[in-house]
Amino acid sequence: EVQLVESGGGLVQPGGSLTLSCAASGFSFSTYWMSWLRQAPGKGLEWVASTTPDGSEKYYVDSVKGRFTVSRDNVKNSLYLHMNNLRAEDTAVYYCARDFVREVAYWGQGNLVTVSS
Amino acid sequence: QSALTQPASVSGSPGQSITFSCTGTSSDVGSYNLLSWYQQHPGKAPKLMIYEGSKRPSGVSNRFSGSKSGNTASLTISGLQAEDEADYYCCSYAGYGTYVFGTGTKVTVL
Repeated sequence: EVQLVESGGGLVQPGGSLTLSCAASGFSFSTYWMSWLRQAPGKGLEWVASTTPDGSEKYYVDSVKGRFTVSRDNVKNSLYLHMNNLRAEDTAVYYCARDFVREVAYWGQGNLVTVSS
Repeated sequence: QSALTQPASVSGSPGQSITFSCTGTSSDVGSYNLLSWYQQHPGKAPKLMIYEGSKRPSGVSNRFSGSKSGNTASLTISGLQAEDEADYYCCSYAGYGTYVFGTGTKVTVL
C-alpha cells in the first residue's frame, strides 16, 4: 500500500526555521518525481517545490526561492522541505505528493505549519 | 506565476451536467498538455480526477471529463451526484519545472 506520511509541522515564529519530512512506503521512491504543495487556511492549492527522482534538479515557486530547500534521501525513502525565514503568509497545510500531475499521483494527508508570534 | 482563473462557484441538480472553466495564458495552459484537475472534499487531501487534459486515472468515474481549447481548459461532470459536491482545482505546467494552480471552484449539488 502506498503511503506518504508528513511530519515536522507546528508553530514557529516569523523569521524562524522548520523542516518538514515525508516518509514514503509501498512504492519505489527513487523512481518518482516528488513535490511539496500547500494550502493556506480557507484558500486554494499552491505548488511549492519539486525534485527529480535522483534529486539532481529542484524547482520552486518564486515566493519561496532562497528561503525553502527541497531535498530527498532515496535510501531512507524520505522527502524533506527545509524552510527558513518563515513569514505569516507561509502558514498552510503542507502536502507531500508523488508525481502529482501523472496517473500515478498520490498525496499525503498534510501537515499544518503556523507562522505566528 | 499568476493563478489560473476559475469561477468561484457552480451548482447543479442531481443528474444534471455541469461544466466549468480554467483560464490561463499562452505561457501555461495554452502551451502544454500537462493540465490536471483535482477534487478536494473538506478536510481531505486533493484527489486527481483528470490528467494530461482529458485522461482519467484508474478508478475515477467516467462522469468526469476534461478538454482544452487554446488557453482555457474545462471540466465536465455528467450525471451530477451528491458525492460530487467539493472544491475543484485545475493545475497547469508553466515551464522551467514550475506549476500553477487555479483559484478553485466550489461545486454545489442542489
